[in-house]
Amino acid sequence: EAQVTQNPRYLITVTGKKLTVTCSQNMNHEYMSWYRQDPGLGLRQIYYSMNVEVTDKGDVPEGYKVSRKEKRNFPLILESPSPNQTSLYFCASSSWSGANVLTFGAGSRLTVL
Amino acid sequence: QKEVEQDPGPLSVPEGAIVSLNCTYSNSAFQYFMWYRQYSRKGPELLMYTYSSGNKEDGRFTAQVDKSSKYISLFIRDSQPSDSATYLCAMSPAGGTSYGKLTFGQGTILTVHP
Repeated sequence: EAQVTQNPRYLITVTGKKLTVTCSQNMNHEYMSWYRQDPGLGLRQIYYSMNVEVTDKGDVPEGYKVSRKEKRNFPLILESPSPNQTSLYFCASSSWSGANVLTFGAGSRLTVL
Repeated sequence: QKEVEQDPGPLSVPEGAIVSLNCTYSNSAFQYFMWYRQYSRKGPELLMYTYSSGNKEDGRFTAQVDKSSKYISLFIRDSQPSDSATYLCAMSPAGGTSYGKLTFGQGTILTVHP
């Protein structure tokens, strides 16, 4: 089954404790991206990657890091999480099909205390 | 002003009703227009997409794009309780460095009650 897999699905952590949210896709997509979803603000892009070793900032990159060492994986790293990073995070991917159609993962709900 | 504006609702309708969901936008470079549906505790899934202006129909769903007014709509005919979800409009320019970067509306929460 074609899918984007994120882990963990739920996480409660404390301020300053580094964490990584993993994302993997099995569709051989070139493009991958991270979004956060907050009430009243909708989905906002954090980082994206056009291909292996090519990443760039989205609209809200502060406090996040990413890497793209393999085509299928695109982890999101929070080096020193803060309470304002409490959110619902989505990883997404797409192919160079011209239609900009994203396939989303199921989401990772993060709470930073 | 946000690039994409969507009434968050919530919208509650009886089963069988026609539902109209709308978004307005300000960026004239947008060429791809999409509607995603998001069920509770799930990721958004693509419902329909259109390129440039015009209408597109898929079963009970019809998407319309009016670029002159910078306005897009999604109509759901004969709505069902299973249509209860959050509906997100999304749009992007065509290709280049903007590839894959969708700008989303806030989402409209729809409930269809039996």
